[in-house]
Amino acid sequence: GAVVSQHPSWVICKSGTSVKIECRSLDFQATTMFWYRQFPKQSLMLMATSNEGSKATYEQGVEKDKFLINHASLTLSTLTVTSAHPEDSSFYICGASGGEETQYFGPGTRLLVL
Amino acid sequence: DAKTTQPPSMDCAEGRAANLPCNHSTISGNEYVYWYRQIHSQGPQYIIHGLKNNETNEMASLIITEDRKSSTLILPHATLRDTAVYYCIVSYTGANSKLTFGKGITLSVRP
Repeated sequence: GAVVSQHPSWVICKSGTSVKIECRSLDFQATTMFWYRQFPKQSLMLMATSNEGSKATYEQGVEKDKFLINHASLTLSTLTVTSAHPEDSSFYICGASGGEETQYFGPGTRLLVL
Repeated sequence: DAKTTQPPSMDCAEGRAANLPCNHSTISGNEYVYWYRQIHSQGPQYIIHGLKNNETNEMASLIITEDRKSSTLILPHATLRDTAVYYCIVSYTGANSKLTFGKGITLSVRP
């Protein structure tokens, strides 16, 4: 299967700071990338969908000004959590699709906001 | 809301086949059945998908009923490393197609 990477794998930050998470498709071009969030013992929840070169589409209840998404190339999307607070602590996972029938996922980024 | 129903958990003995059921009675004609699994603290891993016909790859087999209202994922020889949460998802294909994750089924493989 196709390979998707995320960086960093984990990050600890102070409340009020911003954190950027990168998602890369390593061996295919991802026309669409998806960002998910997963709280402990819960399932993945889709936050937003982004197409290369276009603005992201956010799911209901997700603050677009807090979770900034950039999909500037066919292999890279970034998620920036602005002014992070402890309640933003979660496991963030990206998915990437290259137009085929399958979405592939990164290994996830664990964020802890103190 | 997820459009699939899975039992919350099941277990099987190592080396035996694991048969994971999924109900998707409201599936539409163009929706595929996808299976992913998530091992603790990792991103979901793609397993297999199908539309109507049964499918097999190096990881598993997917059996879809003729009316397409249910399916079964078969891991032919389960190992301890197959312990994970398995998600059955119905979705259209295409780059923009969203995947809606339900609670999945927790498979525990015992020695």
